[in-house]
Amino acid sequence: NAGVTQTPKFRILKIGQSMTLQCTQDMNHNYMYWYRQDPGMGLKLIYYSVGAGITDKGEVPNGYNVSRSTTEDFPLRLELAAPSQTSVYFCASSQAGREYSNQPQHFGDGTRLSIL
Amino acid sequence: DAKTTQPTSMDCAEGRAANLPCNHSTISGNEYVYWYRQIHSQGPQYIIHGLKNNETNEMASLIITEDRKSSTLILPHATLRDTAVYYCIVRYMEYGNKLVFGAGTILRVKS
Repeated sequence: NAGVTQTPKFRILKIGQSMTLQCTQDMNHNYMYWYRQDPGMGLKLIYYSVGAGITDKGEVPNGYNVSRSTTEDFPLRLELAAPSQTSVYFCASSQAGREYSNQPQHFGDGTRLSIL
Repeated sequence: DAKTTQPTSMDCAEGRAANLPCNHSTISGNEYVYWYRQIHSQGPQYIIHGLKNNETNEMASLIITEDRKSSTLILPHATLRDTAVYYCIVRYMEYGNKLVFGAGTILRVKS
């Protein structure tokens, strides 16, 4: 079972460059999420989506964009990379249920991004 | 979401039970308690969750006090592979089912 797959695993960018972090899940989950984790800290939510065509901001959305054209894919876009965006990025998904079900989130292995 | 308080770190001997506490004194009636862990730099892994009853699965047990102001995650026979950061999260069932991660507890299992 693939679960949540993130690519690339590692990337080094120059300041001002742009890139897209890919995330795909094969569990037919409606909900998907992007988090970032800085060294020694907990995860912070960047964006999330409750279904195809619907996205919402999390705690730290500035500098990022997302789209959700299919159930499976939820790419995260950095338009103008800045050193403050050096972090580990995690994508997650969960099953939506009746009455905002309490289903757990399943995480990918992360993308380690350095902006130099 | 209610705030949680966890110890910064704990040690446990291999083969013994690891008991990880979490305080959530401001929890409200419809907030669930979730536990996740993060091994090294991998993605967080779901362990268990509960509302007010004690819960058990193949990984762990969750004990929630009667007043729901605190809980304990129990790993019955800790192994070296259980060394990780453990996060206790309290949240509503709400739009998007979002999680808010704190700093967690670093559990070190030692031989």
